[in-house]
Amino acid sequence: DAGITQSPRHKVTETGTPVTLRCHQTENHRYMYWYRQDPGHGLRLIHYSYGVKDTDKGEVSDGYSVSRSKTEDFLLTLESATSSQTSVYFCAIREDPNNEQFFGPGTRLTVL
Amino acid sequence: GESVGLHLPTLSVQEGDNSIINCAYSNSASDYFIWYKQESGKGPQFIIDIRSNMDKRQGQRVTVLLNKTVKHLSLQIAATQPGDSAVYFCAENMIYNQGGKLIFGQGTELSVKP
Repeated sequence: DAGITQSPRHKVTETGTPVTLRCHQTENHRYMYWYRQDPGHGLRLIHYSYGVKDTDKGEVSDGYSVSRSKTEDFLLTLESATSSQTSVYFCAIREDPNNEQFFGPGTRLTVL
Repeated sequence: GESVGLHLPTLSVQEGDNSIINCAYSNSASDYFIWYKQESGKGPQFIIDIRSNMDKRQGQRVTVLLNKTVKHLSLQIAATQPGDSAVYFCAENMIYNQGGKLIFGQGTELSVKP
């Protein structure tokens, strides 16, 4: 998975609880992305980062926040999880916008 | 809005046959396209990419064709093998714009019969 790890790989939580997912890369790539994947919707971008402390919203950012305090880590936080956020979350990295993105193994999140 | 879609949600082929997976895109400003393969329980895996200044690119057993006139992209897999069974996604973006964000299609499931 191109030097990308995600943790946890599986999580079950309850509605209203905060959840943080971590993406860690060893490639020193500048760009990092968080996607969610749901049946019938494919992969949708939540947030992305183009450098340390530089982040921006994607198409489905409501209910999510991100932080990137160092190059190798990109955190996705659900401040108050809802059942609609049950999904598989993928992190991706990219050296620059001119090249392919590489994806992590995913985190399966279930919100009860 | 802008979208990337696939013509066929499922494709079933016989082992050894060639497979063709199609993709339509709507953003004429897109200049970079990628095909990904996703096996069950795994993240998408890069297969091949193509830039808008090309109309064909070949890899190992795979060929991507780009027709900008009709905004169509296809992935051809030669001599399809059982290990090719997966969901295939096309994705597009505009190089140097929008943080390198990719827009993904819905995916086509390829099933290879032995």
